[in-house]
Amino acid sequence: DMKVTQMPRYLIKRMGENVLLECGQDMSHETMYWYRQDPGLGLQLIYISYDVDSNSEGDIPKGYRVSRKKREHFSLILDSAKTNQTSVYFCASSLSAFSNERLFFGHGTKLSVL
Amino acid sequence: GDSVTQTEGLVTVTEGLPVKLNCTYQTTYLTIAFFWYVQYLNEAPQVLLKSSTDNKRTEHQGFHATLHKSSSSFHLQKSSAQLSDSALYYCALSDPSNDNAPRFGAGTKLSVKP
Repeated sequence: DMKVTQMPRYLIKRMGENVLLECGQDMSHETMYWYRQDPGLGLQLIYISYDVDSNSEGDIPKGYRVSRKKREHFSLILDSAKTNQTSVYFCASSLSAFSNERLFFGHGTKLSVL
Repeated sequence: GDSVTQTEGLVTVTEGLPVKLNCTYQTTYLTIAFFWYVQYLNEAPQVLLKSSTDNKRTEHQGFHATLHKSSSSFHLQKSSAQLSDSALYYCALSDPSNDNAPRFGAGTKLSVKP
């Protein structure tokens, strides 16, 4: 079953709290991504991971960090969350970053920072 | 850097009529891959079309798009819109001179009315 799973689906946090968003894939894909989706801005790339412990900043990495210790898991961490980090976060994976293959997306995590 | 522009935030069309969603881009690289993704309500984005060949028509699920490098465009079209086509559509490109992670446009919401 080709699947990207994100947990949790909905999350409410207070400003200043730490946030952990988790993502898993069962396709043994090398590359994984975190995007955030905001109305009028589309999907913006936060981080890309080429494989275990091989991560690279995307276009909007400030305020975020990632961890990938196993190929099938990719975590997004917000240390001391801010209200402007309220968004829908999507994890995605692809076979390889340089194969130009399509992305498989998870269903997203809707994060509200109050 | 690369950029993708989708000029219409919302396109409304009557069922059975043709629809066109615009996508233009800016990139300095020659060999790039282009995608259209569709996101139905409360679902994950999924790939609809992919192309990297100039002037070649690509079709899937009744939609078609042709990459025109001369005009930097990759518009999405359908000859007869269906109610089930109502969704959010994203144009995206992958640039191997960068990190090859897809960059997305702002998205166009397509609303098909009876």
